Amino acid sequence: NAGVTQTPKFQVLKTGQSMTLQCAQDMNHEYMSWYRQDPGMGLRLIHYSVGAGITDQGEVPNGYNVSRSTTEDFPLRLLSAAPSQTSVYFCASSRQGADTQYFGPGTRLTVL
Amino acid sequence: AQSVTQPDIHITVSEGASLELRCNYSYGATPYLFWYVQSPGQGLQLLLKYFSGDTLVQGIKGFEAEFKRSQSSFNLRKPSVHWSDAAEYFCAVGADGNQFYFGTGTSLTVIP
Repeated sequence: NAGVTQTPKFQVLKTGQSMTLQCAQDMNHEYMSWYRQDPGMGLRLIHYSVGAGITDQGEVPNGYNVSRSTTEDFPLRLLSAAPSQTSVYFCASSRQGADTQYFGPGTRLTVL
Repeated sequence: AQSVTQPDIHITVSEGASLELRCNYSYGATPYLFWYVQSPGQGLQLLLKYFSGDTLVQGIKGFEAEFKRSQSSFNLRKPSVHWSDAAEYFCAVGADGNQFYFGTGTSLTVIP
């Protein structure tokens, strides 16, 4: 099992550009989520999904979109990147929402 | 609103000394409780978790944590710290079925 994979590992964007962070898991987990990690703020939930076709907002959803067309994949879209979105992004999955989260290696995003 | 507090931003201990990292949560019912560890540049790895039952739980790498309902706490302990334990430690709460809340983390430095 590869677990949770994320691509790319690093990305630099200019303000206003859009991009998609990819996340995939091979554990057949129903629950997937995206977090951002900023210094001194821990991890904050952006969006989550409890199954294919179902998504919901977390604590900090503004500026991000998600979709879940398959159980395996949960991409995160930045519609118009802003410097405030400079962060490390983690994708996670679990059998169900409040259960043990398995994390990907992260994507370090810089917005200039 | 649910919250997780880790009052110690940074802790320094000598190798071989004991360790206790504090975690308090705010939630109406008994949540699912977790401790994760993050080494520099890495994703998060689960150390241990509490769902129900025995309030003292054992985890990997010699860590343990005790759930105290009366104090809304879930402190992490290790009797003898190794240099390889230097990392960032996050307490997390799974609540409301689909939400996961992280503390802001405690950075551990181990001195020889």
